[in-house]
Amino acid sequence: ILNVEQSPQSLHVQEGDSTNFTCSFPSSNFYALHWYRWETAKSPEALFVMTLNGDEKKKGRISATLNTKEGYSYLYIKGSQPEDSATYLCAFGTGNQFYFGTGTSLTVIP
Amino acid sequence: GAVVSQHPSRVICKSGTSVKIECRSLDFQATTMFWYRQFPKQSLMLMATSNEGSKATYEQGVEKDKFLINHASLTLSTLTVTSAHPEDSSFYICSASRLAGAYEQYFGPGTRLTVT
Repeated sequence: ILNVEQSPQSLHVQEGDSTNFTCSFPSSNFYALHWYRWETAKSPEALFVMTLNGDEKKKGRISATLNTKEGYSYLYIKGSQPEDSATYLCAFGTGNQFYFGTGTSLTVIP
Repeated sequence: GAVVSQHPSRVICKSGTSVKIECRSLDFQATTMFWYRQFPKQSLMLMATSNEGSKATYEQGVEKDKFLINHASLTLSTLTVTSAHPEDSSFYICSASRLAGAYEQYFGPGTRLTVT
């Protein structure tokens, strides 16, 4: 079983603040790193698929970076809004399966 | 696009009965479907992978006779928890991919199973 860790486990930020969180994964045999946004009672929504070291992806106010050599990815949210409140999951993909972290639960306080 | 539904969203059953959970890809054909289980404060753990028309591949420690998976069509997979016990109470979630293998996964909303 591959170890994928996310930190922090949860965080609360004020509306308008920018925030970031981390996903750590094994640096050997890297294939792909996936980020999902998961709201309660809904399906996890795919945000990014990252495959190359140094990748930076952006979707609106959310962006992500990837460092495969040291085994981490950062997810950034600029100017957090209440609708950004969700659990953010990362998954290390091997081509045969995904290994998930436990997620970072974000609450944006209006 | 790439919408996956899962039914039911919640189910309560008595110990010893069986429960079937359905996972459907609504707007694409799912070559591969995955079933996960999540215990409180833990990550999604893969239970099994199924390809349409083939037997499911179960992860180590997952009892195939207890968790029956059927992927009879390109849009439907079912997970049946047979002779459920309270320790089977958990959150079960499926995902689907248009491709063989795990290069992309689109998730259903999950099913909360409670066995009394």
